[in-house]
Amino acid sequence: QVQLKESGPGLVQPSQTLSLTCTVAGFSLTSYNVHWVRQPPGKGLEWMGVIWNTGGTRYNSALKSRLSISKDTSKSQVFLKMNSLQTEDTATYYCARAGSGYLDYWGQGVMVTVSS
Amino acid sequence: DIQMTQSPSLLSASVGDRVTLSCKASQNIYKYLNWYQQKLGEAPKLLIYYTNSLQTGIPSRFSGSGSGTDYTLTISSLQPEDVATYFCQQYNSWWTFGGGTKLELK
Repeated sequence: QVQLKESGPGLVQPSQTLSLTCTVAGFSLTSYNVHWVRQPPGKGLEWMGVIWNTGGTRYNSALKSRLSISKDTSKSQVFLKMNSLQTEDTATYYCARAGSGYLDYWGQGVMVTVSS
Repeated sequence: DIQMTQSPSLLSASVGDRVTLSCKASQNIYKYLNWYQQKLGEAPKLLIYYTNSLQTGIPSRFSGSGSGTDYTLTISSLQPEDVATYFCQQYNSWWTFGGGTKLELK
């Protein structure tokens, strides 16, 4: 069945780079787009960006200068890298599969704390 | 960027009530509107896509409507398991989420 699972460090120091991996199963990254969404503690959802099945990307304009999304189709993995982290980047980070504009399957999320 | 505003931010209702949640876009989004449910400690779950299409496995008490800039999620008869935060999301111009409506039992 369709599954997504995020992995990465739980703690990142300020000004450092966050690297997260989303490992998927049950579908091909050549057929579906994958999005990243984050949620600060107690707050709402923020769309971060998408990597299309073709490999193209689109980012939230507020994060564009710091964010990069890539993938390894052969390993069924999608990668998120975001630099210059600050405390306000503390959040749960989700990857999600996209149907026609809607996010139909989500990972469980990974909590990332930015702190020294 | 398109802004999405949800109201109310907190809604208290009783079991069996008909509940209506609102979502307003800063410009016409041509029905490209999805609704998600997020229970405490869980990932969001897709309820409704393209304004009024019910995702597979979602109970029929959930329904969506709207057009232009104004959209609504309705729960026809509130159940205890519907306690959650509900988010709308537009995809007419990239993707934007609303701030959420927290639904609790009265």
